[in-house]
Amino acid sequence: GQQVMQIPQYQHVQEGEDFTTYCNSSTTLSNIQWYKQRPGGHPVFLIQLVKSGEVKKQKRLTFQFGEAKKNSSLHITATQTTDVGTYFCAEENSHFQGAQKLVFGQGTRLTINP
Amino acid sequence: DADVTQTPRNRITKTGKRIMLECSQTKGHDRMYWYRQDPGLGLQLIYYSFDVKDINKGEISDGYSVSRQAQAKFSLSLESAIPNQTALYFCATSKGDRAGDTGELFFGEGSRLTVL
Repeated sequence: GQQVMQIPQYQHVQEGEDFTTYCNSSTTLSNIQWYKQRPGGHPVFLIQLVKSGEVKKQKRLTFQFGEAKKNSSLHITATQTTDVGTYFCAEENSHFQGAQKLVFGQGTRLTINP
Repeated sequence: DADVTQTPRNRITKTGKRIMLECSQTKGHDRMYWYRQDPGLGLQLIYYSFDVKDINKGEISDGYSVSRQAQAKFSLSLESAIPNQTALYFCATSKGDRAGDTGELFFGEGSRLTVL
């Protein structure tokens, strides 16, 4: 079946340090989405990447989609305590079992020392 | 008011009991989903529905059933709950995009279920 590898599982940083989480797929993807879940909250959509090699920025967050559309990364520059939470990638492969649906990675839990 | 509402938010039940989790949405989306979240395992898709007459199994449908009563309502049932179904359950909706892909998911607040 479709495998979604997200690393690392946990990351603890000092406030102000950078943070990166990676997702790798065994198949070529239609698109990839990123979500953030605050502690005790629900996942909230951050962005969707569709094009090969795409790079998108949201303030201190940079999202990349690999040239082969099999991997993606989320990079946060100069983390702040508001960045605490779990970041999930969600991969979509329109050829998977004949129906479009998202498959989530295990998530990277980010904690920050102020 | 929340666009995607789940009830109950918390439920403790015993093994063998029937449980229903309800989801309603005001977003007007055709697509609705039920996900299960366990620590360290991300979100796993249980069932999904693209319209009122459409029901599809997800990755982990065994032990669960669903009903799409209307465009706005999608309920999840555990006919005979067991302890390993203790988890956080999320309902989500999406509009779908021009390519036919899922599009952005909008999640409810979650329903925490404990089966003793």
